[in-house]
Amino acid sequence: TQLLEQSPQFLSIQEGENLTVYCNSSSVFSSLQWYRQEPGEGPVLLVTVVTGGEVKKLKRLTFQFGDARKDSSLHITAAQPGDTGLYLCAGAKDNFNKFYFGSGTKLNVKP
Amino acid sequence: DVKVTQSSRYLVKRTGEKVFLECVQDMDHENMFWYRQDPGLGLRLIYFSYDVKMKEKGDIPEGYSVSREKKERFSLILESASTNQTSMYLCASKGLKLFFGSGTQLSVL
Repeated sequence: TQLLEQSPQFLSIQEGENLTVYCNSSSVFSSLQWYRQEPGEGPVLLVTVVTGGEVKKLKRLTFQFGDARKDSSLHITAAQPGDTGLYLCAGAKDNFNKFYFGSGTKLNVKP
Repeated sequence: DVKVTQSSRYLVKRTGEKVFLECVQDMDHENMFWYRQDPGLGLRLIYFSYDVKMKEKGDIPEGYSVSREKKERFSLILESASTNQTSMYLCASKGLKLFFGSGTQLSVL
């Protein structure tokens, strides 16, 4: 059983649409990270959130950490084909060396 | 630019073979990790190391061992490869954040 559940698993949308990806858990995390992974490459860190209720923006991407630090969301505005990839969330508990990864959301943005 | 280099992109091995996956980082990081990635399961931690010759089991260490003789190099060893170890293997090192290598796709036939 995954400690972090991501939804949806797959998402195929048209360029210009908005989307939200969810990362949920029954556990509390000290911090939560979002990564994007492109085919044939390792994941690349997009953002880290550490405070309950925190919102971070990275251009068209908005990340939110839940108030109780158990869940997070990633919202993309006006998606572009370059956003295509596998999005992974990862939570860290007290030991900042151990990250629990979600199963990922595979996003395909069609031109 | 920071770099985590995995020695092979693709490997094909036979059941029962001993397999070595090598990972080198050039950032002088103390913490290094080995994950495996399977569709629908995300990344699962196999082992990590927080210093030379120091290692700790992750969530799925069975069938694997590791070696960290030098700070920059972290090796994953499959003592006797089995078909259920067919997977993508990702190495990472950690400073302020995790840096991943490009992965090794291992097929065990």
